[in-house]
Amino acid sequence: EVQLLESGGGLVQPGGSLRLSCAASGFTFSSYAMSWVRQAPGKGLEWVSAIGGSGTKTYYADSVKGRFTISRDNSKNTLYLQMNSLRVEDTAVYYCAKDIRDSGNYYGVLDYWGQGILVTVSS
Amino acid sequence: EIVLTQSPGTLSLSPGERATLSCRASQSVSSRYLAWYQQKPGQAPRLLIYGASSRATGIPDRFSGSGSGTDFTLTISRLEPEDFAVYYCQQYGTSTLTFGGGTKVEIK
Repeated sequence: EVQLLESGGGLVQPGGSLRLSCAASGFTFSSYAMSWVRQAPGKGLEWVSAIGGSGTKTYYADSVKGRFTISRDNSKNTLYLQMNSLRVEDTAVYYCAKDIRDSGNYYGVLDYWGQGILVTVSS
Repeated sequence: EIVLTQSPGTLSLSPGERATLSCRASQSVSSRYLAWYQQKPGQAPRLLIYGASSRATGIPDRFSGSGSGTDFTLTISRLEPEDFAVYYCQQYGTSTLTFGGGTKVEIK
């Protein structure tokens, strides 16, 4: 059974940093690209970032480029999102999600999602 | 960036009725790279359809997708009580994924 479990969320002040983790199980982690998608309170879904299976290729939304860094440790089956220079508008539930294809290449169809973790940026 | 516009914003229907949800793209979505997700309150999104018309694993056949280019449709043939939720379309034809604003299907 595929499981994705996010952690590391919480309250942070504007300008601060936070690192999210997503522990994966139930599939061959290194064979799949992974994404982060966020959802501000009461709003729709916004894709944030993606990473290929090997970790060498990364992709970012313009809204987070230069501030967020996606990475993965395939030996630990864990996905990360380092978030720096946080803004109030980054407040959201952050989901990690698995790509549907096992090629390791980023495809963009997200077939399994974690339960989400709340990040609140406020003074 | 491809902007996806979903309509209507809210659809009020009764169980057993047919639901038709629209997703329009600001430019053509290559190779029908369009997916649909369902989200219930307090839950993560669930993949329903990808490739515009292919159902994901375990999705009932009352859910169907169609369309190409800039116009796509999700149809729920007969609404079950568990189908009342918010539905999002998403394009993956570019490396920057984008989602529509969502359509809420509520009980009339």
